[in-house]
Amino acid sequence: AQTVTQSQPEMSVQEAETVTLSCTYDTSENNYYLFWYKQPPSRQMILVIRQEAYKQQNATENRFSVNFQKAAKSFSLKISDSQLGDTAMYFCAFMTAVPGGNQFYFGTGTSLTVIP
Amino acid sequence: DTGVSQDPRHKITKRGQNVTFRCDPISEHNRLYWYRQTLGQGPEFLTYFQNEAQLEKSRLLSDRFSAERPKGSFSTLEIQRTEQGDSAMYLCASSLGPTSGGLYEQYFGPGTRLTVT
Repeated sequence: AQTVTQSQPEMSVQEAETVTLSCTYDTSENNYYLFWYKQPPSRQMILVIRQEAYKQQNATENRFSVNFQKAAKSFSLKISDSQLGDTAMYFCAFMTAVPGGNQFYFGTGTSLTVIP
Repeated sequence: DTGVSQDPRHKITKRGQNVTFRCDPISEHNRLYWYRQTLGQGPEFLTYFQNEAQLEKSRLLSDRFSAERPKGSFSTLEIQRTEQGDSAMYLCASSLGPTSGGLYEQYFGPGTRLTVT
């Protein structure tokens, strides 16, 4: 079974500072994809960043980067220069790439508050 | 409009009534997913379609739930004989599949919030 664990229910960070959200997952598959999604209050979920398991290089999208440790099954998200608009729930998600099995598994989320 | 849309945004119903939700995916996306999200939780997978074929259903999906995507475009999710435990946000997402050269990421709609009284 595939599981995704986010052990930090809530976090806060000062504006302009850096914060890291943790995520671990469990799978027996070798080919899979990892994602971080952001869900602002009362707004829809949007993709922040994605990582293919076969790529060793960590993904980066502007102020967002990941630390992907495949052997440890860890996929943390680093937000640099935090902005007030980063306040949201952040969900880590995992998807296997087996034919017919492309369903997403989400963690329980981390509520991030950026403090002015 | 290039995003995923869902209708209605909010639905209040009495226990025992049937409800139907609609999702319109991004037009070129061949995959469509339904999720349920309760307060403080991540989305839970319910089912997904590739074009008009329903390829997978979660064991969470009881016989009271049915989903269709008749022409491979919009989809409907129906809940029969609603129960208070069905109260949740129902999310729809769409994506390109691997045969379309897709990158797998899902684009989510705003959700339909169901309250069963």
